[in-house]
Amino acid sequence: AQKVTQAQTEISVVEKEDVTLDCVYETRDTTYYLFWYKQPPSGELVFLIRRNSFDEQNEISGRYSWNFQKSTSSFNFTITASQVVDSAVYFCALSEGEAGGTSYGKLTFGQGTILTVHP
Amino acid sequence: NAGVTQTPKFRVLKTGQSMTLLCAQDMNHEYMYWYRQDPGMGLRLIHYSVGEGTTAKGEVPDGYNVSRLKKQNFLLGLESAAPSQTSVYFCASRVALRNSPLHFGNGTRLTVT
Repeated sequence: AQKVTQAQTEISVVEKEDVTLDCVYETRDTTYYLFWYKQPPSGELVFLIRRNSFDEQNEISGRYSWNFQKSTSSFNFTITASQVVDSAVYFCALSEGEAGGTSYGKLTFGQGTILTVHP
Repeated sequence: NAGVTQTPKFRVLKTGQSMTLLCAQDMNHEYMYWYRQDPGMGLRLIHYSVGEGTTAKGEVPDGYNVSRLKKQNFLLGLESAAPSQTSVYFCASRVALRNSPLHFGNGTRLTVT
């Protein structure tokens, strides 16, 4: 069975600090997909990024960057120069591959990390 | 752009009462899902559907039923609500393309007293 662990329950930083949210996953599949979602205080879930298991290139999008390392089964998320608007719950999620058509994109979520950025 | 719409947004039930949560999407998505979110547990899949007229159980299906009579709607029913079903419920949908991201509704906060 697949599993996602976000060991940090809560993180508190001051604005402009860099912060890294950890995500470790378990799966027996060789083909899988990893996601990050953001849930701001308003409650909706916002898709941030998807990464497949064959692409270990790191990705940067503005102040956000993601580090995918298959050797350690980790998919960590870094926010550079954090801002108050980054305060949210962040979820890492895993979906097994659909090569056999049986996964249907079901996501397994981690427990979430509550990030609070203080002014 | 309505996207995924959930009704109602809030509801309080007494133990033993029944209710139906409605999810509607206007993106012509094939797949639809119901998740529940509880503190410290992330989101857990209740039921899902890969097409009109089809449903399947997720990780925590007990106490819930679902129906997908129309492609755009996915209903989640609680026949006899229990306090353990107090949660925030999220509906999501996506296209059938391999591992496209889920689009979520804004959630329904349900309290069972």
